[in-house]
Amino acid sequence: SQKIEQNSEALNIQEGKTATLTCNYTNYSPAYLQWYRQDPGRGPVFLLLIRENEKEKRKERLKVTFDTTLKQSLFHITASQPADSATYLCALGQYTGRRALTFGSGTRLQVQP
Amino acid sequence: EAQVTQNPRYLITVTGKKLTVTCSQNMNHEYMSWYRQDPGLGLRQIYYSMNVEVTDKGDVPEGYKVSRKEKRNFPLILESPSPNQTSLYFCASSLRDRAYEQYFGPGTRLTVT
Repeated sequence: SQKIEQNSEALNIQEGKTATLTCNYTNYSPAYLQWYRQDPGRGPVFLLLIRENEKEKRKERLKVTFDTTLKQSLFHITASQPADSATYLCALGQYTGRRALTFGSGTRLQVQP
Repeated sequence: EAQVTQNPRYLITVTGKKLTVTCSQNMNHEYMSWYRQDPGLGLRQIYYSMNVEVTDKGDVPEGYKVSRKEKRNFPLILESPSPNQTSLYFCASSLRDRAYEQYFGPGTRLTVT
């Protein structure tokens, strides 16, 4: 069955450093991969999408890489700020079929001032 | 403001008492979906709808029903709730051909005692 793994342990870093979160998957060939931010008691908020034929995507302080051979995505937040503290979810999807997103369980990031 | 709304946001109920969680979107989206989020399991799709009167099962449909009589509304019905349905529920919507741009509601925290 499909499986997505994200670090279950919280990631603690100092303000200004780069945070790197990992998403690994098995038994899946996604058309695209997404990263979401989720704050406590809130719904996921879309951050970035990267397609299967793309290696890297950037948006402001965010960078995502996608290696379909390794079946892995890395999510980087540069110059991190305490406001970046949240849980970050990785999700895989297809353009056809029931279009469900398959989510990882998320990694909690804590940026210390 | 474009948004997905859910009601209620919090609900505590007892086993066997039928309940409905409403979901409404104002973006004219064809695709709507329900997910549940449990610790360590990520979000899992319960039911989805491609358009009015078109619904189908997701990964974890047991114990749930849905209906799609209008484009904007997609209620989730628990005919006889059980404690294992205690969870955080999210509704999401998107244009049918842009399912990679799903917008999530704020969530409904349900506790069944």
